[in-house]
Amino acid sequence: AQSVTQLGSHVSVSEGALVLLRCNYSSSVPPYLFWYVQYPNQGLQLLLKYTTGATLVKGINGFEAEFKKSETSFHLTKPSAHMSDAAEYFCAVSGGGNTPLVFGKGTRLSVIA
Amino acid sequence: GAVVSQHPSRVICKSGTSVKIECRSLDFQATTMFWYRQFPKQSLMLMATSNEGSKATYEQGVEKDKFLINHASLTLSTLTVTSAHPEDSSFYICSARNRITSSDGYTFGSGTRLTVV
Repeated sequence: AQSVTQLGSHVSVSEGALVLLRCNYSSSVPPYLFWYVQYPNQGLQLLLKYTTGATLVKGINGFEAEFKKSETSFHLTKPSAHMSDAAEYFCAVSGGGNTPLVFGKGTRLSVIA
Repeated sequence: GAVVSQHPSRVICKSGTSVKIECRSLDFQATTMFWYRQFPKQSLMLMATSNEGSKATYEQGVEKDKFLINHASLTLSTLTVTSAHPEDSSFYICSARNRITSSDGYTFGSGTRLTVV
């Protein structure tokens, strides 16, 4: 079974500041890890994913995440926040194959001018 | 890239009526589709998993007679909310897995906002 814990339901940063959204996972099998972004009343957009290989994953819009097995973490970062980054972010895990994604509770990112 | 079309995007229906939501993979074959429900300011909760040509597998607590899922082809899955009530008002999102290259991940529809009045 898989589960995800996102630390912090709301994170607020200044424009241009570092963005750090935390995600810890639990999985009984090697995990596939994902970060999605959701804007109000819209579906989910994939930011990045980790399946195998390089543990530092680069995604769209300048986001990246690092898979750390020893810490069971997959934190999302962006060096410099932009106003357009304000949205809800979800970390998700699956066991691969045709297993469903299991989502964390989400973190709302606010960017202050 | 893989695209999943979900319709309608918004629907308002009267209590007691049924609503059908379609989820269609446009440029790939989806062996497996997942249906999620999202309440305001909450996360996505898996409702059921549907595999083409077989019965859907429902998560615990989800009424299979109320939420009818049909996955009749490799490109179409439908969710029908039967005898809808105001508590069924929610955001419903489908997700599809690519048949040929599952490592491509999960492609999501744009969601359906259901309001039952």
